[in-house]
Amino acid sequence: EAGVVQSPRYKIIEKKQPVAFWCNPISGHNTLYWYLQNLGQGPELLIRYENEEAVDDSQLPKDRFSAERLKGVDSTLKIQPAELGDSAVYLCASSFGQGPTYQQFFGPGTRLTVL
Amino acid sequence: AQSVTQLGSHVSVSEGALVLLRCNYSSSVPPYLFWYVQYPNQGLQLLLKYTSAATLVKGINGFEAEFKKSETSFHLTKPSAHMSDAAEYFCAVTRNTGGFKTIFGAGTRLFVKA
Repeated sequence: EAGVVQSPRYKIIEKKQPVAFWCNPISGHNTLYWYLQNLGQGPELLIRYENEEAVDDSQLPKDRFSAERLKGVDSTLKIQPAELGDSAVYLCASSFGQGPTYQQFFGPGTRLTVL
Repeated sequence: AQSVTQLGSHVSVSEGALVLLRCNYSSSVPPYLFWYVQYPNQGLQLLLKYTSAATLVKGINGFEAEFKKSETSFHLTKPSAHMSDAAEYFCAVTRNTGGFKTIFGAGTRLFVKA
């Protein structure tokens, strides 16, 4: 069974440019998470989806970040415009349901470098 | 509010020595606690979790952790380190604030010396 797939794995852009990350969760997983991981830190939740509904986006900087999961399967996270401070690893995870009894499976992440 | 503190951003042990990675949590209610491992350029992988059953939790790769309520700790141990254990380890707690959210510690990088 394939794990969580993310693309691209690496992205280098100049500041003020837009960028998008794509995530395909494990088949059948209804819950999808986007996390931000700064260097030397643990992941921080940006947004969580239950099917196609964003149920927790309180930590998503909505002035420049947006996300969608239109059909409740794969998801896209976008930054427009990117800033130097956005350089980080963006992790996607999925689980069968929400709550601590459901294991989160993580993708390898997209490493973003903003110059 | 719930939070997680990992003591020591770096830990170095010799191969075959005991591994001890420390984690303390703050929680107003019984927590759900986790340890994850992250190898370079990979996502996080669950090592083990505590969900209010047995206080000593066994995980994969020979790791285990003990939940101590009196000390608000959930330290990760392994009796004998292997070179392949070198990685970043994250302690995490899940809180319920109108929906479950997982809070991660800052991580501890484990180095294993030959």
